[in-house]
Amino acid sequence: QVQLQESGPGLVKASETLSLTCAVSGYSISSGYYWDWIWQPPGKGLEWIGTIYHSGSTYYNPSLKSRVTISADTSKNQFSLKLSSLTAADTAVYFCARRTTMVRGVIDYWGQGTLVTVSS
Amino acid sequence: EIVLTQSPDFQSVTPKEKVTITCRASLSIDSSLHWYQQKPDQSPKLLIKFASQSISGVPSRFSGSGSGTDFTLTINSLEAEDAATYYCHQSSSLPFTFGPGTKVDIK
Repeated sequence: QVQLQESGPGLVKASETLSLTCAVSGYSISSGYYWDWIWQPPGKGLEWIGTIYHSGSTYYNPSLKSRVTISADTSKNQFSLKLSSLTAADTAVYFCARRTTMVRGVIDYWGQGTLVTVSS
Repeated sequence: EIVLTQSPDFQSVTPKEKVTITCRASLSIDSSLHWYQQKPDQSPKLLIKFASQSISGVPSRFSGSGSGTDFTLTINSLEAEDAATYYCHQSSSLPFTFGPGTKVDIK
């Protein structure tokens, strides 16, 4: 059974950089599929942040592209998100997820999500 | 960017009623439209993929239809456990986008 687990600080300061990690079990990320970060501000909808393939190819939402970096560590079977220049608007639940293919694929597994609060 | 709109925003339904949620895309996305169910404090769960394909383990009362720009999620004979917010999601083109969600409440 594929499982994804987000980890990282629950509270970060404005202007700093957020670092989150998604540990994957039950599947080797180097075997394929694509790996997403998605966020959900409190009480709001879902927004795609970006995707990484194990080869290192990355795809970002243009709305966040200047502040986002997604990377993968196949030796640890995990991938990570860095989001810089934080503001209160970045307060959200951050989900990691598996996508079957890049375009015309489907998200079939999700992590439980981790709430990140940006404080001033 | 492809914008997805959903209607209604909210629906209060009695058990055993039929629920219909629509999702409209601003451009044609063929059948690259998927439906997710999210309950409070949980991650989304895949209900229907590629507009109408069923997912193993998902009750048969959930079905989907549509292609191009107009899509529908139908819940036949609603059960209390179906109280949730339902999102459509397009993977036809970047950036991937989600609909704003439809909250279904049980009367």
